[in-house]
Amino acid sequence: QKEVEQNSGPLSVPEGAIASLNCTYSDRVSQSFFWYRQYSGKSPELIMSIYSNGDKEDGRFTAQLNKASQYVSLLIRDSQPSDSATYLCAVNTGTASKLTFGTGTRLQVTL
Amino acid sequence: GAGVSQSPSNKVTEKGKDVELRCDPISGHTALYWYRQRLGQGLEFLIYFQGNSAPDKSGLPSDRFSAERTGESVSTLTIQRTQQEDSAVYLCASSSPSRTSGSSYNEQFFGPGTRLTVL
Repeated sequence: QKEVEQNSGPLSVPEGAIASLNCTYSDRVSQSFFWYRQYSGKSPELIMSIYSNGDKEDGRFTAQLNKASQYVSLLIRDSQPSDSATYLCAVNTGTASKLTFGTGTRLQVTL
Repeated sequence: GAGVSQSPSNKVTEKGKDVELRCDPISGHTALYWYRQRLGQGLEFLIYFQGNSAPDKSGLPSDRFSAERTGESVSTLTIQRTQQEDSAVYLCASSSPSRTSGSSYNEQFFGPGTRLTVL
């Protein structure tokens, strides 16, 4: 079983819709959870971090964490073509340690 | 600069040669990480440095790979006797780990990467 799992996609949503990206993780002691956006040929860009159960909102982005279910998600409201990218879920088990990444979900926002 | 910088941005080398990649972290960040991303794949952890502690080398794929960091500044990743399988983008990240309200934070910020091609 992979440590961090994501559906590779592509996930296709029309412009203006809500995109829902999901991630599950296997290590119950995981403490910190991150979503990165990676455009083709570019490096990952941090867009959301979440540490406590529940929702965290930042602009059009909402991260949701459920530690009991070992599940973290990212919602993107009012999706724009510029949101088309690969979204990487990352998990951290310590204060200053490596991130374990999923393989990413490719999102396509269509006009 | 404000962000993580890496050099060179691209490196083409011949099989068997040694290469050295450089990372300059965000000023004040005590932790520095190296990751590798092969084409079409996810990020693979290589090594991380935290202050003056011994580095975590658990992700280095072979003894051909090594890395150094002096204090909380620049780091170099060296790959000796490069192989074609070493072709990838090598990404450096830095963070300033902190604790608040019982949680641990470790937001890592990535540099632009070095694209290594081994012919």
